[in-house]
Amino acid sequence: KAGVTQTPRYLIKTRGQQVTLSCSPISGHRSVSWYQQTPGQGLQFLFEYFSETQRNKGNFPGRFSGRQFSNSRSEMNVSTLELGDSALYLCASSLGRRGGYTEAFFGQGTRLTVV
Amino acid sequence: AQSVTQLGSHVSVSEGALVLLRCNYSSSVPPYLFWYVQYPNQGLQLLLKYTSAATLVKGINGFEAEFKKSETSFHLTKPSAHMSDAAEYFCAVSDNTNAGKSTFGDGTTLTVKP
Repeated sequence: KAGVTQTPRYLIKTRGQQVTLSCSPISGHRSVSWYQQTPGQGLQFLFEYFSETQRNKGNFPGRFSGRQFSNSRSEMNVSTLELGDSALYLCASSLGRRGGYTEAFFGQGTRLTVV
Repeated sequence: AQSVTQLGSHVSVSEGALVLLRCNYSSSVPPYLFWYVQYPNQGLQLLLKYTSAATLVKGINGFEAEFKKSETSFHLTKPSAHMSDAAEYFCAVSDNTNAGKSTFGDGTTLTVKP
Protein backbone atom coordinates (compact mmCIF):
# COMPACT_ATOMS: atom_id res chain seq x y z
CA LYS A 1 0.00 0.00 0.00
CA ALA A 2 1.09 3.56 -0.63
CA GLY A 3 3.22 5.30 1.96
CA VAL A 4 2.92 8.77 3.42
CA THR A 5 2.97 11.40 0.69
CA GLN A 6 4.09 14.95 1.28
CA THR A 7 3.76 17.67 -1.29
CA PRO A 8 5.55 19.61 -2.51
CA ARG A 9 9.02 18.14 -1.89
CA TYR A 10 10.77 21.47 -2.24
CA LEU A 11 9.55 25.02 -1.81
CA ILE A 12 11.17 28.45 -1.89
CA LYS A 13 9.31 31.37 -0.35
CA THR A 14 10.06 34.98 0.50
CA ARG A 15 10.00 36.43 3.99
CA GLY A 16 6.53 37.62 4.94
CA GLN A 17 4.73 35.20 2.64
CA GLN A 18 2.66 32.30 3.80
CA VAL A 19 2.93 28.64 2.81
CA THR A 20 0.76 25.54 2.92
CA LEU A 21 2.20 22.04 3.04
CA SER A 22 0.22 18.88 2.45
CA CYS A 23 0.40 15.38 3.88
CA SER A 24 -1.57 12.36 2.72
CA PRO A 25 -1.39 9.56 5.29
CA ILE A 26 -1.43 5.85 4.71
CA SER A 27 -4.92 4.61 3.93
CA GLY A 28 -6.77 3.83 7.16
CA HIS A 29 -4.52 5.96 9.35
CA ARG A 30 -6.36 8.64 11.30
CA SER A 31 -3.47 10.36 13.06
CA VAL A 32 -1.13 12.80 11.35
CA SER A 33 1.75 14.43 13.23
CA TRP A 34 3.98 17.23 11.97
CA TYR A 35 7.62 17.86 12.85
CA GLN A 36 10.11 20.58 11.99
CA GLN A 37 13.72 19.56 11.46
CA THR A 38 16.52 22.13 11.47
CA PRO A 39 20.28 21.76 11.98
CA GLY A 40 20.16 23.95 15.07
CA GLN A 41 17.04 22.68 16.83
CA GLY A 42 16.81 19.13 15.56
CA LEU A 43 13.44 17.43 15.26
CA GLN A 44 10.69 19.29 17.03
CA PHE A 45 7.05 18.31 17.35
CA LEU A 46 4.59 20.80 15.88
CA PHE A 47 1.17 19.23 16.33
CA GLU A 48 -0.89 16.09 15.89
CA TYR A 49 -4.31 15.72 14.36
CA PHE A 50 -6.64 12.80 14.92
CA SER A 51 -10.06 12.53 13.32
CA GLU A 52 -9.99 16.20 12.28
CA THR A 53 -9.17 17.43 15.81
CA GLN A 54 -5.88 18.73 17.10
CA ARG A 55 -4.92 16.27 19.82
CA ASN A 56 -1.42 17.46 20.74
CA LYS A 57 0.45 20.67 20.24
CA GLY A 58 4.11 21.59 20.52
CA ASN A 59 5.67 24.90 21.49
CA PHE A 60 5.50 26.84 18.27
CA PRO A 61 4.07 30.32 17.69
CA GLY A 62 0.56 30.82 16.37
CA ARG A 63 1.97 31.46 12.88
CA PHE A 64 2.10 27.67 12.60
CA SER A 65 -1.29 26.08 12.18
CA GLY A 66 -2.75 22.95 10.77
CA ARG A 67 -5.91 21.13 9.94
CA GLN A 68 -7.11 17.70 8.99
CA PHE A 69 -9.83 16.78 6.57
CA SER A 70 -12.41 14.03 6.77
CA ASN A 71 -10.24 11.79 4.55
CA SER A 72 -7.39 12.23 7.11
CA ARG A 73 -5.26 14.31 4.76
CA SER A 74 -3.61 17.13 6.65
CA GLU A 75 -2.25 20.53 5.81
CA MET A 76 -0.01 22.79 7.79
CA ASN A 77 0.21 26.50 7.21
CA VAL A 78 2.92 28.95 8.17
CA SER A 79 2.05 32.61 7.91
CA THR A 80 4.40 35.59 7.82
CA LEU A 81 7.41 33.47 7.02
CA GLU A 82 10.72 34.19 8.72
CA LEU A 83 14.19 33.11 7.65
CA GLY A 84 14.28 30.79 10.67
CA ASP A 85 11.34 28.82 9.31
CA SER A 86 13.63 27.28 6.70
CA ALA A 87 13.56 23.61 7.55
CA LEU A 88 12.58 20.11 6.53
CA TYR A 89 8.97 19.57 7.55
CA LEU A 90 8.09 15.95 8.16
CA CYS A 91 4.74 14.38 8.69
CA ALA A 92 4.03 10.99 10.19
CA SER A 93 0.86 8.94 10.03
CA SER A 94 -0.39 6.23 12.34
CA LEU A 95 -3.58 4.49 13.34
CA GLY A 96 -3.42 6.74 16.38
CA ARG A 97 -5.36 4.66 18.89
CA ARG A 98 -4.80 5.72 22.49
CA GLY A 99 -3.70 3.28 25.16
CA GLY A 100 -1.37 1.31 22.99
CA TYR A 101 1.40 1.60 20.50
CA THR A 102 0.62 2.26 16.88
CA GLU A 103 3.59 2.61 14.58
CA ALA A 104 4.22 5.94 12.91
CA PHE A 105 5.35 6.09 9.31
CA PHE A 106 7.13 9.18 8.04
CA GLY A 107 6.90 10.88 4.70
CA GLN A 108 9.96 12.12 2.82
CA GLY A 109 9.38 15.66 3.95
CA THR A 110 9.00 19.09 2.39
CA ARG A 111 12.15 21.18 2.25
CA LEU A 112 11.12 24.82 2.79
CA THR A 113 13.62 27.56 2.09
CA VAL A 114 12.75 31.11 3.09
CA VAL A 115 14.76 33.85 1.36
CA ALA B 1 7.78 15.46 30.46
CA GLN B 2 9.99 13.29 28.32
CA SER B 3 13.47 13.80 26.97
CA VAL B 4 16.13 11.92 25.08
CA THR B 5 19.90 12.38 25.17
CA GLN B 6 22.07 10.89 22.47
CA LEU B 7 25.70 10.76 23.53
CA GLY B 8 28.00 11.69 20.68
CA SER B 9 26.80 13.71 17.72
CA HIS B 10 29.31 11.94 15.46
CA VAL B 11 30.49 8.35 15.59
CA SER B 12 33.04 6.90 13.19
CA VAL B 13 33.74 3.18 12.81
CA SER B 14 35.59 1.01 10.35
CA GLU B 15 33.69 -1.32 8.06
CA GLY B 16 33.16 -4.60 9.89
CA ALA B 17 33.55 -3.05 13.34
CA LEU B 18 30.94 -2.90 16.09
CA VAL B 19 28.47 -0.03 15.95
CA LEU B 20 27.33 1.40 19.29
CA LEU B 21 25.09 4.47 19.40
CA ARG B 22 24.06 5.62 22.85
CA CYS B 23 20.66 6.85 23.99
CA ASN B 24 19.41 7.76 27.44
CA TYR B 25 15.84 8.77 28.09
CA SER B 26 13.74 10.40 30.76
CA SER B 27 10.06 9.67 31.13
CA SER B 28 7.58 9.92 34.00
CA VAL B 29 5.45 7.12 32.55
CA PRO B 30 6.39 3.79 30.97
CA PRO B 31 8.02 4.76 27.70
CA TYR B 32 7.90 3.60 24.16
CA LEU B 33 11.37 3.90 22.64
CA PHE B 34 12.43 4.00 19.02
CA TRP B 35 15.46 4.23 16.80
CA TYR B 36 15.10 5.80 13.38
CA VAL B 37 17.56 6.20 10.52
CA GLN B 38 17.59 9.13 8.13
CA TYR B 39 19.46 9.41 4.84
CA PRO B 40 20.12 12.85 3.31
CA ASN B 41 16.96 14.69 2.32
CA GLN B 42 14.80 11.73 3.24
CA GLY B 43 12.24 11.03 5.93
CA LEU B 44 12.75 8.81 8.93
CA GLN B 45 12.75 5.04 8.70
CA LEU B 46 11.98 3.00 11.79
CA LEU B 47 14.82 0.65 12.69
CA LEU B 48 13.32 -0.86 15.82
CA LYS B 49 10.98 -0.16 18.71
CA TYR B 50 10.49 -1.05 22.37
CA THR B 51 6.87 -1.10 23.48
CA SER B 52 7.10 -2.93 26.84
CA ALA B 53 7.51 -6.46 25.52
CA ALA B 54 10.97 -8.06 25.26
CA THR B 55 13.78 -5.82 26.52
CA LEU B 56 16.14 -6.94 23.75
CA VAL B 57 14.71 -5.69 20.51
CA LYS B 58 15.85 -6.76 17.07
CA GLY B 59 15.29 -4.51 14.12
CA ILE B 60 16.02 -4.25 10.46
CA ASN B 61 19.44 -4.36 8.80
CA GLY B 62 21.00 -6.30 11.69
CA PHE B 63 20.48 -3.62 14.35
CA GLU B 64 19.34 -4.34 17.86
CA ALA B 65 18.83 -2.41 21.09
CA GLU B 66 18.39 -3.30 24.74
CA PHE B 67 16.00 -1.48 27.05
CA LYS B 68 17.61 -1.08 30.49
CA LYS B 69 15.20 0.52 32.89
CA SER B 70 17.72 0.79 35.73
CA GLU B 71 20.08 2.76 33.48
CA THR B 72 17.30 4.55 31.55
CA SER B 73 19.15 3.56 28.40
CA PHE B 74 18.28 2.20 24.98
CA HIS B 75 21.58 1.89 23.12
CA LEU B 76 21.65 0.77 19.49
CA THR B 77 24.17 -1.83 18.34
CA LYS B 78 25.18 -3.69 15.23
CA PRO B 79 27.94 -6.33 15.34
CA SER B 80 29.49 -5.47 11.97
CA ALA B 81 29.19 -2.10 10.24
CA HIS B 82 28.54 -1.86 6.53
CA MET B 83 29.22 1.13 4.31
CA SER B 84 25.49 1.45 3.71
CA ASP B 85 24.94 2.08 7.44
CA ALA B 86 26.38 5.58 7.09
CA ALA B 87 23.48 7.88 7.96
CA GLU B 88 22.00 9.90 10.80
CA TYR B 89 20.34 7.99 13.63
CA PHE B 90 17.69 9.30 15.98
CA CYS B 91 16.47 7.93 19.26
CA ALA B 92 12.92 8.89 20.24
CA VAL B 93 10.52 8.43 23.14
CA SER B 94 6.76 8.55 23.43
CA ASP B 95 4.14 6.88 25.63
CA ASN B 96 0.70 5.38 25.37
CA THR B 97 -1.00 8.59 26.43
CA ASN B 98 0.56 10.58 23.60
CA ALA B 99 1.30 8.05 20.93
CA GLY B 100 1.16 10.68 18.20
CA LYS B 101 3.85 12.82 19.78
CA SER B 102 7.45 11.69 19.93
CA THR B 103 10.38 13.49 21.49
CA PHE B 104 13.59 13.03 19.54
CA GLY B 105 17.24 13.17 20.47
CA ASP B 106 19.60 15.44 18.59
CA GLY B 107 20.79 12.64 16.35
CA THR B 108 24.08 10.84 15.82
CA THR B 109 25.81 10.86 12.46
CA LEU B 110 27.45 7.53 11.76
CA THR B 111 30.43 7.46 9.41
CA VAL B 112 31.75 4.11 8.18
CA LYS B 113 35.35 4.04 6.98
CA PRO B 114 36.48 1.49 4.40
